[in-house]
Amino acid sequence: AQSVTQLDSQVPVFEEAPVELRCNYSSSVSVYLFWYVQYPNQGLQLLLKYLSGSTLVKGINGFEAEFNKSQTSFHLRKPSVHISDTAEYFCAGGQGGKLIFGQGTELSVKP
Amino acid sequence: GAGVSQSPRYKVAKRGQDVALRCDPISGHVSLFWYQQALGQGPEFLTYFQNEAQLDKSGLPSDRFFAERPEGSVSTLKIQRTQQEDSAVYLCASVPHWGSSYEQYFGPGTRLTVT
Repeated sequence: AQSVTQLDSQVPVFEEAPVELRCNYSSSVSVYLFWYVQYPNQGLQLLLKYLSGSTLVKGINGFEAEFNKSQTSFHLRKPSVHISDTAEYFCAGGQGGKLIFGQGTELSVKP
Repeated sequence: GAGVSQSPRYKVAKRGQDVALRCDPISGHVSLFWYQQALGQGPEFLTYFQNEAQLDKSGLPSDRFFAERPEGSVSTLKIQRTQQEDSAVYLCASVPHWGSSYEQYFGPGTRLTVT
């Protein structure tokens, strides 16, 4: 069973617009949650992580995410995107020391 | 400093050939993970090492897949008698110390194409 679900496979957005990439997790993963970004032909780069504490997590490149336990969600947001944010984004949850990834969301920022 | 490196970056193999994929973790990192990323999918866990000990290999898809890390540093993922369904990007990640297994630093991956 899928433990981490990314609700959108593709998200097109215009430059300087806000964006939200949605992620839901199941109870089979721990509440250690992560967002990674993958640029073409590159490895995964950690954007941000939630381990405990404040439910609003700020990461690199102006991204932030909010952990919502009641909705089992960990959506990623950015108030104003740039062309350079075009990439694949993966939500992941921790399970037994390993990461369980969602299917990915392709963010395409258009001028 | 240097990150995680993987070689080769691209590998084309004929069906039935054996391949070996190498991962050089960040120096001093204790744990090492292997993931398989099929086209259009998220990475899926294959196996992981704590130093030279392979603690979990539950994600290896068949007995054709074998991983080792004999000296607790460099790791090799070997696939015997490759099949077309083995075509994927193989990602390696290293972790700085015990207790921080989720702090994973990824390499660029090896793209394997089986023809």
